[in-house]
Amino acid sequence: EVQLVESGGGLVQPGGSLRLSCAASGFMFSTYNMHWVRQGTGKGLEWVSAIGTAGDPYYPVSVKGRFTVSRENAKNSLYLQMNSLRAGDTAVYYCARAPRYDPGAFDIWGQGTMVTVSS
Amino acid sequence: EIVLTQSPGTLSLSPGERATLFCRASQSVTSTYLAWYQQKPGQAPRLLIYGASSRATGIPDRFRGSGSGTDFTLTISRLEPEDFAVYYCQQYETSPTWTFGQGTKVEIK
Repeated sequence: EVQLVESGGGLVQPGGSLRLSCAASGFMFSTYNMHWVRQGTGKGLEWVSAIGTAGDPYYPVSVKGRFTVSRENAKNSLYLQMNSLRAGDTAVYYCARAPRYDPGAFDIWGQGTMVTVSS
Repeated sequence: EIVLTQSPGTLSLSPGERATLFCRASQSVTSTYLAWYQQKPGQAPRLLIYGASSRATGIPDRFRGSGSGTDFTLTISRLEPEDFAVYYCQQYETSPTWTFGQGTKVEIK
């Protein structure tokens, strides 16, 4: 079964750091572009980062310089290192896969991990 | 940055009715780079449509995507009870940046 499982969420103070992980199974992880997408409580979806098969990272302006995406293909794992966290970063964070037939879409999603930034 | 505006914000319909959801882009989007997702409470989004009109694996044919340029539509021909959810459009025209619309909630009337 193709599956993505996120972990690492929790409560962190403003200015703090957190590292999210996403474990992939059921597909050849190393050959897919991967993404992180977040969703604030009661809000819409926001793309957070992408990483290509060669490890090339991409970010929106809202997190550039604070978040770092990485992957470890030998462990079928995706990571998101989040620094200088703000209240506005509070959200459920999903990892998602980009299918080969349309690298602009997200065909497989994890169940999400909750990040709360609060003092 | 391309902004996607979805309308209406909420659609109140009965099972068996037709639902028509709209997604308007602030500038032209190549059809290849337009997708639709369904999200139910407490669940992750699910890919419905990619390339503006291609159904993802396992998606029933009552879901139909169409449109080009700046105007895209998701049509659900006959609403089933499990179709009541929030729907998002998403674009990838401005590579490498992905953006979503704000969502349309389809609720039971």
